[in-house]
Amino acid sequence: SQQGEEDPQALSIQEGENATMNCSYKTSINNLQWYRQNSGRGLVHLILIRSNEREKHSGRLRVTLDTSKKSSSLLITASRAADTASYFCATESFSGNTPLVFGKGTRLSVIA
Amino acid sequence: KAGVTQTPRYLIKTRGQQVTLSCSPISGHRSVSWYQQTPGQGLQFLFEYFSETQRNKGNFPGRFSGRQFSNSRSEMNVSTLELGDSALYLCASSQSTGGLAEAFFGQGTRLTVV
Repeated sequence: SQQGEEDPQALSIQEGENATMNCSYKTSINNLQWYRQNSGRGLVHLILIRSNEREKHSGRLRVTLDTSKKSSSLLITASRAADTASYFCATESFSGNTPLVFGKGTRLSVIA
Repeated sequence: KAGVTQTPRYLIKTRGQQVTLSCSPISGHRSVSWYQQTPGQGLQFLFEYFSETQRNKGNFPGRFSGRQFSNSRSEMNVSTLELGDSALYLCASSQSTGGLAEAFFGQGTRLTVV
């Protein structure tokens, strides 16, 4: 079963705008990761945030984590057409030694 | 450094046949995980191997099996194929299991069962 649930399922924005995607999960986690997938291809790791971190930045990406609400958000600033892809959150459970569990993803379309 | 290589990229099989998919991880990575991706179910975990041992297994029938060789290359096999097995099968490698290991994915094998 899915651990993470992304919201919204699909998002369409204009180039230059910011895109925010949310992820909720059910159980305690060690860390949460965000991945990007271009149509029908492999996933690319974007960023990892540990359970004791609240915010992390990487270039135009900003990730927040609220363990009390069991939720995370991914913000892409100044979006570009090349950001068009599906974005997935993945969690590793607190018990460790478990595989990453992925949500169903948010489909982002950036219109030039 | 070469990335994760999956072969073949595309495959068409008929119901009842069996199929073997291959994954070569990044050099030095000892953990290989397999996922099935479908539009309806999303990414579903199949199994994880580390140093030739299966560490975790997802909730899939026994028709799905896998193994890992001493060079860390992995194969997964699906026997008695069903239409519902049509999916993108993704392999991911990492330096270790769990923890803070980032997973590196291959491009996937697109399996179509007709």
